[in-house]
Amino acid sequence: ETGVTQSPTHLIKTRGQQVTLRCSSQSGHNTVSWYQQALGQGPQFIFQYYREEENGRGNFPPRFSGLQFPNYSSELNVNALELDDSALYLCASSSVKRHEQFFGPGTRLTVL
Amino acid sequence: QKEVEQDPGPLSVPEGAIVSLNCTYSNSAFQYFMWYRQYSRKGPELLMYTYSSGNKEDGRFTAQVDKSSKYISLFIRDSQPSDSATYLCATEDTDKLIFGTGTRLQVFP
Repeated sequence: ETGVTQSPTHLIKTRGQQVTLRCSSQSGHNTVSWYQQALGQGPQFIFQYYREEENGRGNFPPRFSGLQFPNYSSELNVNALELDDSALYLCASSSVKRHEQFFGPGTRLTVL
Repeated sequence: QKEVEQDPGPLSVPEGAIVSLNCTYSNSAFQYFMWYRQYSRKGPELLMYTYSSGNKEDGRFTAQVDKSSKYISLFIRDSQPSDSATYLCATEDTDKLIFGTGTRLQVFP
């Protein structure tokens, strides 16, 4: 069984740029959720995708957007990067048991 | 008031000690409660979850939920240096997870 994978591991961008982060869900999981974890904080829910549709969104502006593909992998896109977007971005996959979410290793984004 | 509150620590204990990690939550409608372990610069790892009130045991770990006081706990018996990590409590609200800030635990030999 393959776990959740994310790419890239690290990323450095400058303010105003755009970034795309990628996630492959665990085998058998059809739901992907994205979280942002600032240093010293717990993960904050960005949004969730189920069957290629957004299925819930947290308190994040529209410049955070996403996609889910037919193979259940997903992308997180962030436009017009701000310094406060520097964080660990986590992807989690789940099946029908939405409370059982399994996380990938994360992508560490630094915005300069 | 935050939906899930957790003491950030750090908590430092000697090897072999019993560790108690705690969280409180605000919404009595929450039903699922999870504990995650996160090593430095890694993603959170699901340790266990509990539904509603009661206890759940898995090896050295016991999760406890008291819905009357909106209090959740994780106990670690015979703690090991390899248990040194940040422990995150979480609850589930319409398919999304709501996390506490995490408690940093250090177990020294």
